[in-house]
Amino acid sequence: EPEVTQTPSHQVTQMGQEVILRCVPISNHLYFYWYRQILGQKVEFLVSFYNNEISEKSEIFDDQFSVERPDGSNFTLKIRSTKLEDSAMYFCASSDRGARGETQYFGPGTRLLVL
Amino acid sequence: RKEVEQDPGPFNVPEGATVAFNCTYSNSASQSFFWYRQDCRKEPKLLMSVYSSGNEDGRFTAQLNRASQYISLLIRDSKLSDSATYLCCSGNTPLVFGKGTRLSVIA
Repeated sequence: EPEVTQTPSHQVTQMGQEVILRCVPISNHLYFYWYRQILGQKVEFLVSFYNNEISEKSEIFDDQFSVERPDGSNFTLKIRSTKLEDSAMYFCASSDRGARGETQYFGPGTRLLVL
Repeated sequence: RKEVEQDPGPFNVPEGATVAFNCTYSNSASQSFFWYRQDCRKEPKLLMSVYSSGNEDGRFTAQLNRASQYISLLIRDSKLSDSATYLCCSGNTPLVFGKGTRLSVIA
């Protein structure tokens, strides 16, 4: 069964450093998403991406965040200057249609710890 | 603000019990809903989609009440392996999640 993959599984970084989280969505999917989950909190939407551009973003997704699809398979989330409060689990998700209610499949996540 | 609210639990039930979770949503325009299951420190995994009045899959039944804006999940004959956090979400893109309801099934 096809699945979303993410690397690395864990990332520890110093405050102020840049991190890049990587995702490989399911191969025939066209819509990609990043969510985050702070420990003990709800899963929160960050950004959605379609046709090589951002289609929607939340207020969390400020100027320190960016996304990119550098090639035909990878989808990345960059955090330019990490803060302590960026420590969270970051999930990538994909779906084959962006229609309302289309099922999104989640990757296993990257646990980011900012020290 | 579009919110999804759930009773956080925990629900501690014996094996074989029937347990029900409720979830309310604030966005009356929402058309579809999902229940995801999340194990500790893992990703959400789709359990059920709820597009109309309800859906049933084996021991799991989801119901939608649009007038009252709530969705329920019923688990019959619960098993130890059902222990997890159950996330309700509104299916409007992007997904809006509740905080989840924690279930512990005890032998």
